[in-house]
Amino acid sequence: DADVTQTPRNRITKTGKRIMLECSQTKGHDRMYWYRQDPGLGLRLIYYSFDVKDINKGEISDGYSVSRQAQAKFSLSLESAIPNQTALYFCATSDWAPNEQFFGPGTRLTVL
Amino acid sequence: GENVEQHPSTLSVQEGDSAVIKCTYSDSASNYFPWYKQELGKRPQLIIDIRSNVGEKKDQRIAVTLNKTAKHFSLHITETQPEDSAVYFCAASSMDTGRRALTFGSGTRLQVQP
Repeated sequence: DADVTQTPRNRITKTGKRIMLECSQTKGHDRMYWYRQDPGLGLRLIYYSFDVKDINKGEISDGYSVSRQAQAKFSLSLESAIPNQTALYFCATSDWAPNEQFFGPGTRLTVL
Repeated sequence: GENVEQHPSTLSVQEGDSAVIKCTYSDSASNYFPWYKQELGKRPQLIIDIRSNVGEKKDQRIAVTLNKTAKHFSLHITETQPEDSAVYFCAASSMDTGRRALTFGSGTRLQVQP
């Protein structure tokens, strides 16, 4: 089945370290998104990309950067991790926007 | 930008009862309103969505209503079952170029008591 995958699934790191979270999809979708989930705050958009050359900041992009290496791959980087970036991170895809988004399994990141 | 408020944050019902979750949005240009269900430890999944050209949409025990004048929309679950227990998120988006990203509400934790 076509799917959205994320690596790693869990990561513990220290303040100041550089971290990359990776997302891959076999759905053939052009649009990809990165969200973070915090208890009581829902899903907040970090970055989104409508194609390889079109990358846009979401509502909470400070402290994050992204790279769209190919249609199927969208990576999220934390250049210098800080403890308040501890959260559950989801990647999602859609065939067009706005339309149903398909989420990956999530990456639980802990910054000590 | 868009702001979506969702209420209540937690909801507990008896099995067989109905559950209603309400959301309001701020951007009058928003015209797509999906609802996602997230079971414990799982990824969010779309359960129903509505576009602004209709006022109500049903899918078995689930329905969504939209009031564009008041800028609010609601999720209705009838005959609730224990497997409906999850966190539910509403969202809103515009079809306009540059504003097509979803803005999510803060979520409602629904617990269905057997």
